[in-house]
Amino acid sequence: KQEVTQIPAALSVPEGENLVLNCSFTDSAIYNLQWFRQDPGKGLTSLLLIQSSQREQTSGRLNASLDKSSGRSTLYIAASQPGDSATYLCAVRPAAYNTDKLIFGTGTRLQVFP
Amino acid sequence: DTGVSQNPRHKITKRGQNVTFRCDPISEHNRLYWYRQTLGQGPEFLTYFQNEAQLEKSRLLSDRFSAERPKGSFSTLEIQRTEQGDSAMYLCASSLSRPGDEQFFGPGTRLTVL
Repeated sequence: KQEVTQIPAALSVPEGENLVLNCSFTDSAIYNLQWFRQDPGKGLTSLLLIQSSQREQTSGRLNASLDKSSGRSTLYIAASQPGDSATYLCAVRPAAYNTDKLIFGTGTRLQVFP
Repeated sequence: DTGVSQNPRHKITKRGQNVTFRCDPISEHNRLYWYRQTLGQGPEFLTYFQNEAQLEKSRLLSDRFSAERPKGSFSTLEIQRTEQGDSAMYLCASSLSRPGDEQFFGPGTRLTVL
């Protein structure tokens, strides 16, 4: 059974710091992995999608890596800003013929203070 | 706006009442997904459709829950005889049907059962 874990559960950093959020999953048979951002009481905003054949994806100050064999992904945020404060969720899409869904971690709640 | 839309955005109801939520996917997407998210947790998969066919249902989807997508376009999720434990954010997503296609999420419907 696929399980997704995110560490740390919460993180508080001063503005300007570079930071790394971690995601691990138990079954390497995945199609892809997505990182999402969620503001309080809101829906999910997709940040980066990494296909299983890829090693990393970049968008602006965000860089996500994927090591499928070890079941790990990291989201790197450069030069953090207060506007980055949100919950960050990772989700994997299992590569199985009889299912199609995302399995989510419980998220990392990030606070960036001025 | 060509993204996923959900209505209503908020619903407050009394225990025992029935509620219905609607999701309109991105127009060319033939897959539609429902997830439920409780406070402090990641979203959990409920069900998904390919066109009008409901292909998978989670065991979380008790017999009080029913989802439809009658014409393969919009979908409805109905909860009968609501319970306080049904209070959650209900998220809808859509995608194309190729493995690895990205899921795009709507803003969610926040349900509060009093």
